[in-house]
Amino acid sequence: DGGITQSPKYLFRKEGQNVTLSCEQNLNHDAMYWYRQDPGQGLRLIYYSQIVNDFQKGDIAEGYSVSREKKESFPLTVTSAQKNPTAFYLCASSTNRGPSYEQYFGPGTRLTVT
Amino acid sequence: LAKTTQPISMDSYEGQEVNITCSHNNIATNDYITWYQQFPSQGPRFIIQGYKTKVTNEVASLFIPADRKSSTLSLPRVSLSDTAVYYCLVGAGTGRRALTFGSGTRLQVQP
Repeated sequence: DGGITQSPKYLFRKEGQNVTLSCEQNLNHDAMYWYRQDPGQGLRLIYYSQIVNDFQKGDIAEGYSVSREKKESFPLTVTSAQKNPTAFYLCASSTNRGPSYEQYFGPGTRLTVT
Repeated sequence: LAKTTQPISMDSYEGQEVNITCSHNNIATNDYITWYQQFPSQGPRFIIQGYKTKVTNEVASLFIPADRKSSTLSLPRVSLSDTAVYYCLVGAGTGRRALTFGSGTRLQVQP
């Protein structure tokens, strides 16, 4: 089955620790994205990558880092510099061709930092 | 990216048609209008996309007037499983493709 996988589904960390969230896709999409969602809110863009070895900051990149070494993978690291990291994190991918805005989302990772 | 405005919440009953209107006064010439659906603790799911007039698929219809400053998502004969948050987004087909999500419209369908 083609799709996007995120792991783990739930993640717990102590304050001050870095944590890396996994995102893998087998849809052969060039573009990948990371969003953050807080309770009752819409999604906010953290980082996006339109091609391998290239990525851009989104609207709330501070305290986060990413890498895009492979087309299929776009891991997100939540660093200790992120002041309020507890949230629901969503990864998505899309084609870069044509006008379509159809993004395919993974199931999400719920991160709790205490 | 153009800003969108949509109602915070709507209520409906099973079997009714639901219309959710989105305002996007600053839509640019090459912007498309896209709607997503999100259930709790899940990623959003693409519903429909359009540029002008009317688009219909197996799930919904999208109506876009000539001035394109608003759009209406129409869900025919909703069921309880249509209870979700619906997001309206506008953006261009080139350049940054990342989406800007507002708070969406929370649709509650009752029996």
